[in-house]
Amino acid sequence: SQTIHQWPATLVQPVGSPLSLECTVEGTSNPNLYWYRQAAGRGLQLLFYSVGIGQISSEVPQNLSASRPQDRQFILSSKKLLLSDSGFYLCASQDWNTEAFFGQGTRLTVV
Amino acid sequence: DAKTTQPPSMDCAEGRAANLPCNHSTISGNEYVYWYRQIHSQGPQYIIHGLKNNETNEMASLIITEDRKSSTLILPHATLRDTAVYYCIVRTGGTSYGKLTFGQGTILTVHP
Repeated sequence: SQTIHQWPATLVQPVGSPLSLECTVEGTSNPNLYWYRQAAGRGLQLLFYSVGIGQISSEVPQNLSASRPQDRQFILSSKKLLLSDSGFYLCASQDWNTEAFFGQGTRLTVV
Repeated sequence: DAKTTQPPSMDCAEGRAANLPCNHSTISGNEYVYWYRQIHSQGPQYIIHGLKNNETNEMASLIITEDRKSSTLILPHATLRDTAVYYCIVRTGGTSYGKLTFGQGTILTVHP
């Protein structure tokens, strides 16, 4: 099975500061990778997904960007954080016809 | 990927079976039904998935109707630790497998 490493677990950042969240995957190659955000008490909103190195699809217009510089590395970034970027961010990985594996998430608070 | 509809919340008594329904009336022939659950402040956990046939594993059973337009996740003997948000998802299988989109899910509360 796959292991998803996601860090940090919690993060407090001031408005206007940059952001970089990293996700790395073990136990597979060439998976689909996903970034989700979950606001308090809400469902998971798909932000980005990637089917391969350098291939990023954005699901919603936003202040964030994603990159996949290596097969098993997925990065979520922002140049200037907004208050509305606060939330619980989850990285996930999925192979063909298998379940998705999720990281433990990063709780981001923008102050 | 097809959209799904789930009740926003359900209750279940501990030790009883929890039956969580999901409608996916626009599902297409190559789309699988997946179930995940999310316990507060954790990443979602895979439960089970299926295409046409009913499936069972150590966690749950999945019953898919013959027309595949709906399914039911069954937790045979619910415990307090099964209290979570349960998500039903349909997605494409095969070499062009699709994105994984979650709905709002069903909040299952298991009470003593």
